[in-house]
Amino acid sequence: AQSVTQLGSHVSVSEGALVLLRCNYSSSVPPYLFWYVQYPNQGLQLLLKYTSAATLVKGINGFEAEFKKSETSFHLTKPSAHMSDAAEYFCAVSDPGTGGFKTIFGAGTRLFVKA
Amino acid sequence: EAGVAQSPRYKIIEKRQSVAFWCNPISGHATLYWYQQILGQGPKLLIQFQNNGVVDDSQLPKDRFSAERLKGVDSTLKIQPAKLEDSAVYLCASSPPRNTEAFFGQGTRLTVV
Repeated sequence: AQSVTQLGSHVSVSEGALVLLRCNYSSSVPPYLFWYVQYPNQGLQLLLKYTSAATLVKGINGFEAEFKKSETSFHLTKPSAHMSDAAEYFCAVSDPGTGGFKTIFGAGTRLFVKA
Repeated sequence: EAGVAQSPRYKIIEKRQSVAFWCNPISGHATLYWYQQILGQGPKLLIQFQNNGVVDDSQLPKDRFSAERLKGVDSTLKIQPAKLEDSAVYLCASSPPRNTEAFFGQGTRLTVV
């Protein structure tokens, strides 16, 4: 069964500092991996996705993530945090089933950005 | 293109009452999902439809929750009777055929008092 573990329910960085949000997954088949962002009172918005092409995936708003099969990780990074990055971030794993892709989410990491 | 539409945005009910949520997915998306997101947690898949058939409802509390997607387009999720622990945001999402990405609606925030 697939699962996702996000290390750290809260992460706090200063504006301009590196953002690193950690995600480890387990999957019985080559996975598809995602990072979603959720702003208050909003639905989830896709930041980026890995679908077995390049292991370094670039997303919106300057975020990127690297798929490391040996470490079963898909950590999200951004070189320089901006105040507008403050939100909840969810890592997710998906694999194909008989009825389409089933996506499982991690518990989320709330990112705080200090001025 | 229009996104996933959900209504209502907010709902407050008393325990033991019934409630229904509605979702209209993006046109052409065959797969529809309902997720429950309790405060401080990640979304939990309740039920997944492929067209009008149920693919996965293993996490749906079937004694009180039901969902349907009769014509393979829009969907309703019902809770009857509601419990305090059902307070959560209910998210609907849809995916086009053979696509890994789920597109989410804004959700319905349910408060059971």
